[in-house]
Amino acid sequence: DAMVIQNPRYQVTQFGKPVTLSCSQTLNHNVMYWYQQKSSQAPKLLFHYYDKDFNNEADTPDNFQSRRPNTSFCFLDIRSPGLGDAAMYLCATSRGGANYGYTFGSGTRLTVV
Amino acid sequence: DQQVKQNSPSLSVQEGRISILNCDYTNSMFDYFLWYKKYPAEGPTFLISISSIKDKNEDGRFTVFLNKSAKHLSLHIVPSQPGDSAVYFCAASREGYKLSFGAGTTVTVRA
Repeated sequence: DAMVIQNPRYQVTQFGKPVTLSCSQTLNHNVMYWYQQKSSQAPKLLFHYYDKDFNNEADTPDNFQSRRPNTSFCFLDIRSPGLGDAAMYLCATSRGGANYGYTFGSGTRLTVV
Repeated sequence: DQQVKQNSPSLSVQEGRISILNCDYTNSMFDYFLWYKKYPAEGPTFLISISSIKDKNEDGRFTVFLNKSAKHLSLHIVPSQPGDSAVYFCAASREGYKLSFGAGTTVTVRA
């Protein structure tokens, strides 16, 4: 089945230690998104790739970076995680227009200790 | 600045009755609205959507209503079933493809 897969499902990292979250898709969608969701809050868009074009949200901290080496994979790098970065990170894909809706992965729950 | 708001964090409804979930938005540039459903330990899944040129869209037990003048949309689930117990997110589209989400409403359907 075509899908969006996020690895790992749960990630524990130490304060200040770089961590990378992974997302892959078999849908061949050209847009990939990373959202951060903290408990009982709305998912917050961090950035997205439209094909190879990277688009950062204005309020996304510099601590967060992303890479998209090919259509299928997208990575979220947190250079120096702080306690406030503990959250669920959701990857989503779409076919350019939101009229098609997003397909989400199951998310990665990040814990910072 | 939260542009999509779901002011009811939770809703409890009896099986067979109607569930009504509400959503308000502030950005008049939004032109497409969606509802997502999320079970624990899973990612959100698309449920139903509506374009700003319509005021109603129906898909089986699910109907979404849009009131543009009030910047308000609602999701009706009739009849509610136990499998509908989940978190429901309202989302709105701007610039054609980026979605802004509400904080979600947790629906519990009682037997």
